[in-house]
Parts: sequence; structure tokens; C-alpha cells
Amino acid sequence: DSGVTQTPKHLITATGQRVTLRCSPRSGDLSVYWYQQSLDQGLQFLIQYYNGEERAKGNILERFSAQQFPDLHSELNLSSLELGDSALYFCASSVDGWGTDTQYFGPGTRLTVL
Amino acid sequence: AQKVTQAQTEISVVEKEDVTLDCVYETRDTTYYLFWYKQPPSGELVFLIRRNSFDEQNEISGRYSWNFQKSTSSFNFTITASQVVDSAVYFCALSVMDTGRRALTFGSGTRLQVQP
Repeated sequence: DSGVTQTPKHLITATGQRVTLRCSPRSGDLSVYWYQQSLDQGLQFLIQYYNGEERAKGNILERFSAQQFPDLHSELNLSSLELGDSALYFCASSVDGWGTDTQYFGPGTRLTVL
Repeated sequence: AQKVTQAQTEISVVEKEDVTLDCVYETRDTTYYLFWYKQPPSGELVFLIRRNSFDEQNEISGRYSWNFQKSTSSFNFTITASQVVDSAVYFCALSVMDTGRRALTFGSGTRLQVQP
């Protein structure tokens, strides 16, 4: 158990809908990262937050957004969902925001868009 | 730009065989960090090891060992006396101290199947 929690574990929804994925980092970690794992794109970085502020952006679509709250949990919002958004979404956390510290991953949320 | 290449898509071995998973990385940064993660069939990503670019000492942890060679930009992972529980997808990853790119760059992964 990495100490990072993600809810829900599975999510099935329809095209055009909006969903919210939630992540709680390990105790003491200030940085949260979101990654998407799909069969065709592999593991791709989406966005990073550090202590409530956005720190870095990767290949995140404009339909996707995220935020980190004062209690350090983070939410990833996916809207206008398309079939191609079906993937495993991981949250990871680390102590610092430099990206070189070890990132510990949550169990992931498997999103299926029908 | 950073890049990680895991040329072996899938490896199948019989239990108790030794197996080496290859990882080649590309970066222009002189300070960087390399990682290995394991993704078992259950789907979670499990951290295995982190090394920085200034520490080329090989590391051994039980049946696992890692060989870091800057001269060939490689960070290979060897499992000795493999077991069925080692069956998983293994990812090599790289991060650099770049203000615009703080996340992990992953390789495409190597699927290891250990047959009983």
C-alpha cells in the first residue's frame, strides 16, 4: 500500500458526460501528479500541483482540469467525455515539487466511456 | 527532450531463470533521476528503485539488481531466480530538474511472464 488513495476505483459513463476523480496524497506529501495510462499512448503525464498551485502541465486536454485543495487532496475533472478518454488514471504524490523525488502512485481509477 | 526506451515488449521465462530488462534513456540534463516501477496484473504501480545521475553504483535488493551505466545511457534491471509472482509489466522512468518538465517520462514497459 503506497498510502495514496484514489476514488472511485471504477467509473463507467457515457460520451458527453463529466466525471470527477479524487486523490488523497500520502501524509506529508505536498505534490500531486496526474497520469493517464492508455493502450495506445502508454503512461502520460497530465498535470502537477504543489501545495495548492499548478506547477507543471503535460499532455492535458482542454476538456480536462484539475485542482488541489487546502487539505492537499486533488480532483481531476474530465468533461465532454469521448470514447478515447477511456483509460486508467493514476494519481501520484511526492514530498517536493521538483519532480525528482520518488512519486508514489495510487491504485488508479479505471474510466470506461461508452 | 527526454526519452526512455524499453525495447523488449514482452519476455517469457520459466521459473528460476534469471532475466534482464533493458532500459535506455535520453536526456541533455546532467542531473537526472531514474526509476523502475512494477505494474502487477492488479494494476497498481509499485515503486522499486530510484537512482540519481551521480551515483553509478549498482544496487542489489534481494533477487533484484540494477546496473546503471552512464556511458551507454542504460539502467538495466535483473531478476535472479525469477518467480511466478514477478509476472508483471515493468516500467523504467526518467525525471529531470527542469522547471517546465517535472514529471516522470515513462518507457513503454516490458511485460514479463514467468511460467511455473
